[in-house]
Amino acid sequence: GAVVSQHPSWVICKSGTSVKIECRSLDFQATTMFWYRQFPKQSLMLMATSNEGSKATYEQGVEKDKFLINHASLTLSTLTVTSAHPEDSSFYICSALTPGSGVQETQYFGPGTRLLVL
Amino acid sequence: GQNIDQPTEMTATEGAIVQINCTYQTSGFNGLFWYQQHAGEAPTFLSYNVLDGLEEKGRFSSFLSRSKGYSYLLLKELQMKDSASYLCAVRGAGNMLTFGGGTRLMVKP
Repeated sequence: GAVVSQHPSWVICKSGTSVKIECRSLDFQATTMFWYRQFPKQSLMLMATSNEGSKATYEQGVEKDKFLINHASLTLSTLTVTSAHPEDSSFYICSALTPGSGVQETQYFGPGTRLLVL
Repeated sequence: GQNIDQPTEMTATEGAIVQINCTYQTSGFNGLFWYQQHAGEAPTFLSYNVLDGLEEKGRFSSFLSRSKGYSYLLLKELQMKDSASYLCAVRGAGNMLTFGGGTRLMVKP
């Protein structure tokens, strides 16, 4: 099946710093990627839809100036958490949409990035 | 809007059968997915239903009734490694997935 990677898998940073998370589709081109956030014992919450070559679409309540998304190529989307604070500590997961139609599993998930802001 | 409900927690015994229900009310429907997620890991795909009926895949089966907005995931011959969260997700417009809150399943010996 399709493979999606995320880097880094773990990051610990001081409050006020910015953190960049990369999401790559390794064996297919993804014009659309999704960024999710998951707090402990909760389900995945969609943060934004990242479209290659255009601005991301953010879900209600997600600050676009705080969570910067760049989808500069068909295999890479980045999420930058700017001026991170402890409340931003969470598990961030990306998924990439496979091209074409008729495929049952159209979103492939990355392994996730755990962010801890001190 | 989107509303997806599933039980928060369930407990079952090793070797038994467990059914996890999911009800949904969504503006647009393009398939329903079940994912398994172990703590600290990303979700892994289990099943997909777009037509009414039962889809069987080994120890796992998933059922869908579109008219009732209802699905269930059936796990047979439970194993300890099946202890995980099970996420019901509906695919709507634009291939977006909306997830339910997840059901934490604990399998006991």
